[in-house]
Amino acid sequence: DAGITQSPRHKVTETGTPVTLRCHQTENHRYMYWYRQDPGHGLRLIHYSYGVKDTDKGEVSDGYSVSRSKTEDFLLTLESATSSQTSVYFCAIRGQGTDTQYFGPGTRLTVL
Amino acid sequence: QQQVKQSPQSLIVQKGGISIINCAYENTAFDYFPWYQQFPGKGPALLIAIRPDVSEKKEGRFTISFNKSAKQFSLHIMDSQPGDSATYFCAARDQGGKLIFGQGTELSVKP
Repeated sequence: DAGITQSPRHKVTETGTPVTLRCHQTENHRYMYWYRQDPGHGLRLIHYSYGVKDTDKGEVSDGYSVSRSKTEDFLLTLESATSSQTSVYFCAIRGQGTDTQYFGPGTRLTVL
Repeated sequence: QQQVKQSPQSLIVQKGGISIINCAYENTAFDYFPWYQQFPGKGPALLIAIRPDVSEKKEGRFTISFNKSAKQFSLHIMDSQPGDSATYFCAARDQGGKLIFGQGTELSVKP
C-alpha cells in the first residue's frame, strides 16, 4: 500500500448527524482526493486538494466539505448525513509531476 | 463531454481465455488513460496506463489498445486466470488533472 490510511473503516450513522472521515498519508504527496463509489457509477470525485488549505470541488460535492490543514491529512465532512450518502468512500494521493493516483482502503459509510 | 463509458458491466470468461473490456470517451483533451483493478474490500490499484500518442501498451498478460480517432480504448487480458477475477475501471484524465472513471466491469474467470 502507498502509505495511505483511512479512518474509520466502517461507520453506521443516522440521518442528520455530522460525520467526518479522515485520510492520512505518509508519502508527503501534494495532491489528495476524495471519491465515492456506488454500483453502476464507478468512482466519482467529491473534492480534491492541491496543497495545504487549497481545495476544490469535484463532480459530486453537494453536501460535502473538506479541509486540509496539514500535508498528511485530508478530512471529508458530511455536515448533515442523508441516506443518499451511504456509499464507500476512497481517498487517493498523487505526487507532483507524477501520473498515478494511489488509493486508500476505503471507508464504508451507512446512513440510516 | 466529461463522461467515460465502459462496457460490459459484467464479464464471465473461462480460464485461459481472453478478457476484453472497452471504454469510450468524448473529450479529446483527455491526456492519460489508466486502468485500475479492484478486489473486494480493497481500494483500486493501478494496473496499466497509456497516453494518447501510443496505440498499444503491453505489460505481461495485460494490453491496452488505444484508438484516438474513434475515441476508444480497451483492456485485453490474455490467458485469463481465476486470480484476475476483480472489478476493472477505466479512467481518463482531464486538463485539470482530475480522473474521470468508467462505471466498472466485474470480471469473473471460471476455472
